[in-house]
Amino acid sequence: EAQVTQNPRYLITVTGKKLTVTCSQNMNHEYMSWYRQDPGLGLRQIYYSMNVEVTDKGDVPEGYKVSRKEKRNFPLILESPSPNQTSLYFCASSLSATYSNQPQHFGDGTRLSIL
Amino acid sequence: GDSVTQMEGPVTLSEEAFLTINCTYTATGYPSLFWYVQYPGEGLQLLLKATKADDKGSNKGFEATYRKETTSFHLEKGSVQVSDSAVYFCALTLGPPAGGTSYGKLTFGQGTILTVHP
Repeated sequence: EAQVTQNPRYLITVTGKKLTVTCSQNMNHEYMSWYRQDPGLGLRQIYYSMNVEVTDKGDVPEGYKVSRKEKRNFPLILESPSPNQTSLYFCASSLSATYSNQPQHFGDGTRLSIL
Repeated sequence: GDSVTQMEGPVTLSEEAFLTINCTYTATGYPSLFWYVQYPGEGLQLLLKATKADDKGSNKGFEATYRKETTSFHLEKGSVQVSDSAVYFCALTLGPPAGGTSYGKLTFGQGTILTVHP
């Protein structure tokens, strides 16, 4: 089954404790992206990757890091989490950013609470 | 910059009522337009899309028409069901070169919560 898998689904942690949210897709997609969802703001892009070893900042990258060492995986790293990063996070993938008419496939989300 | 504006919610309807959720956009170039739906506790699923002016996207009884002259992509359904209760997001993407260095990014509206009562 074609899917985007995120882990963990839920995490409660404390300020400053490094954490990683994993994302994996099995569709051989080139384009992967992370979004955060906050009430009243919709979803905003954090980082994206056009392909392996090619990543760039989205609209709200502060406090986050990513890497793309393999095509299928795109982890999101919070090196020193802070309470303003409490949010619902989604990983997404699509065939290629060049084909903007192709929909993106989303994971089920990771709800992070930073105390 | 590019942006999407959705009608303010939440929207509460009785079963079998007519649904309209307004969506307007601002974009350089000619975007592809999407409606995504998020059911409680789940990720976003593509509901429908339209990739050029006057295209009509449709799925599960929902429809939306890409109106370039009014820069709109309003979502409609003739008769809603309780199972349609969800959050609905309007979104756009731009391909190269209009999308600049971040082509492929989805730009979302703020989402509209729909609740349908029996």
